[in-house]
Amino acid sequence: KQEVTQIPAALSVPEGENLVLNCSFTDSAIYNLQWFRQDHGKGLTSLLLIQSSQREQTSGRLNASLDKSSGRSTLYIAASQPGDSATYLCAVKNFGNEKLTFGTGTRLTIIP
Amino acid sequence: GAGVSQSPSNKVTEKGKDVELRCDPISGHTALYWYRQSLGQGLEFLIYFQGNSAPDKSGLPSDRFSAERTGGSVSTLTIQRTQQEDSAVYLCASSLSADTQYFGPGTRLTVL
Repeated sequence: KQEVTQIPAALSVPEGENLVLNCSFTDSAIYNLQWFRQDHGKGLTSLLLIQSSQREQTSGRLNASLDKSSGRSTLYIAASQPGDSATYLCAVKNFGNEKLTFGTGTRLTIIP
Repeated sequence: GAGVSQSPSNKVTEKGKDVELRCDPISGHTALYWYRQSLGQGLEFLIYFQGNSAPDKSGLPSDRFSAERTGGSVSTLTIQRTQQEDSAVYLCASSLSADTQYFGPGTRLTVL
């Protein structure tokens, strides 16, 4: 059974700093991995999707990497802004399975 | 274009009543998913539709939960004889392929 862990559960950093969020998964037979952000009381917004054959994906100030063999992904946020404050979730899809298995999220607070 | 929409946004009901939650996926998306997000359990998969068929119902927690999809579009999640532990945010997502899932804003269900 796939299990996804995100550490830390919460993170506070001053505005302007670069930061890294971590995601680990137990079953390396993944089809893809997706990073989402969730603003308080809102739905999920897809940020980046990495296919199992890829090592990283970039969008603006965000860069997500994937190391399947070690069961890890990181989300790098450059030059953080107060608007980046949200909960960040990673989710994996395994081969032969359409559902996403989610981590418990990291609540990020950017301090102005 | 329009994203995934869900209704109602909030639902308060009494224990023992039945509720229906609605999801309108992105037009043309053949896959539709229901997830549940609760404080103690994080984000959990409930059911997956491909067209009008549900090949994976493995996440439905009990036989009080059912879902249907008609015309390859709108889906309804029904919870019969609601219990307090059913209180959660119910999220719907849709996708065109096996890749990015796009989420709606969710329905917050409170069972008194």
